[in-house]
Amino acid sequence: GAVVSQHPSWVICKSGTSVKIECRSLDFQATTMFWYRQFPKQSLMLMATSNEGSKATYEQGVEKDKFLINHASLTLSTLTVTSAHPEDSSFYICSARGHSGRANEQFFGPGTRLTVL
Amino acid sequence: QQQVKQSPQSLIVQKGGISIINCAYENTAFDYFPWYQQFPGKGPALLIAIRPDVSEKKEGRFTISFNKSAKQFSLHIMDSQPGDSATYFCAASNRRDKVIFGPGTSLSVIP
Repeated sequence: GAVVSQHPSWVICKSGTSVKIECRSLDFQATTMFWYRQFPKQSLMLMATSNEGSKATYEQGVEKDKFLINHASLTLSTLTVTSAHPEDSSFYICSARGHSGRANEQFFGPGTRLTVL
Repeated sequence: QQQVKQSPQSLIVQKGGISIINCAYENTAFDYFPWYQQFPGKGPALLIAIRPDVSEKKEGRFTISFNKSAKQFSLHIMDSQPGDSATYFCAASNRRDKVIFGPGTSLSVIP
């Protein structure tokens, strides 16, 4: 099956610093990657959609200058939380979708727990 | 119109019983309806999915029932086990568009 990894699995940082989270598709080429944020006991909220080689499309209310997304290759997308604050503490999950086959199917990563002190 | 509604919010079922989670949608352009299972601290995993051209899909103990005219679909977990205790999300999408998640159902299967 399709495997998506995330690194790191958890990170603790000080307020005002930047944190980068990597999302990799290990055994398929991901033309599209999605970034979600999930607060405790809530559903997944889509933050942005990124297609390889082009700028990410952000959902309404998500600050593009704060959450920088790069999808430079077909197997790697990164999310950088800039100038992190305690309210950015959350569970960040990426998903990836390939070229063809099951067109709608997304494969999810294991998530990254971000804690901002 | 992009919203997916899900009920109940939480569910407690005895071991061996049937767990039933219901979802409803408004956008008739949706053509893919997956269910995801998520354990605490983990990413969601695809459990089973259905397209609107069929009314039912079964994989092991998991069955999706789909009612296109009512714009509703449900997940049935037969012979529920304690290991099934998790949060379940229904979702919907249109072709290669983004997936819209329901609010989730926390399932607890008690011995």
